[in-house]
Amino acid sequence: EAQVTQNPRYLITVTGKKLTVTCSQNMNHEYMSWYRQDPGLGLRQIYYSMNVEVTDKGDVPEGYKVSRKEKRNFPLILESPSPNQTSLYFCASSLGAREDTEAFFGQGTRLTVV
Amino acid sequence: DQQVKQNSPSLSVQEGRISILNCDYTNSMFDYFLWYKKYPAEGPTFLISISSIKDKNEDGRFTVFLNKSAKHLSLHIVPSQPGDSAVYFCAASVGYKLSFGAGTTVTVRA
Repeated sequence: EAQVTQNPRYLITVTGKKLTVTCSQNMNHEYMSWYRQDPGLGLRQIYYSMNVEVTDKGDVPEGYKVSRKEKRNFPLILESPSPNQTSLYFCASSLGAREDTEAFFGQGTRLTVV
Repeated sequence: DQQVKQNSPSLSVQEGRISILNCDYTNSMFDYFLWYKKYPAEGPTFLISISSIKDKNEDGRFTVFLNKSAKHLSLHIVPSQPGDSAVYFCAASVGYKLSFGAGTTVTVRA
């Protein structure tokens, strides 16, 4: 089954404690990206990756890091989480490097930073 | 500054009638527009898209209209069904970046 898998689904952490949210896709997609969803703001792109070892900033990259060492994995790293990073996070992948192709989303990770 | 705006946070429609969702954008460089549907506790799923060189795209009950001069697009769902109750996100892309609107919650009444 084609899917994008995020882990964990839920996470409560304390300010400043480094965390990683994993994302894996089994569709051999080149393009992967991370979004956060906040009430009234919709989905905002954090980082994206056009291929292995190629990443770039989205609209809200501050406080986040990513890496793309393998095609299937695209982890999101919060080196020093803060309460304003409390949000619902989605990872997505798509076949093409351009975003005119359908993106497949993971089920989301609800992060709470206290 | 949001470049894609969905000004109606919610829409209630009777089953069998038409649902019309609206979206406005500010960036004239956007070259593809997409609609995604999201159920609670799930990730968004792709619904339909349209290239900026077209003004209409149809897929079954779903039709997207694009008015480039007005920087406006709309999604029509005919007829609306109970399973269409969800949050709908409008999105627009330029290059490798994708921008989403805030979403419209559609409720289909029996």
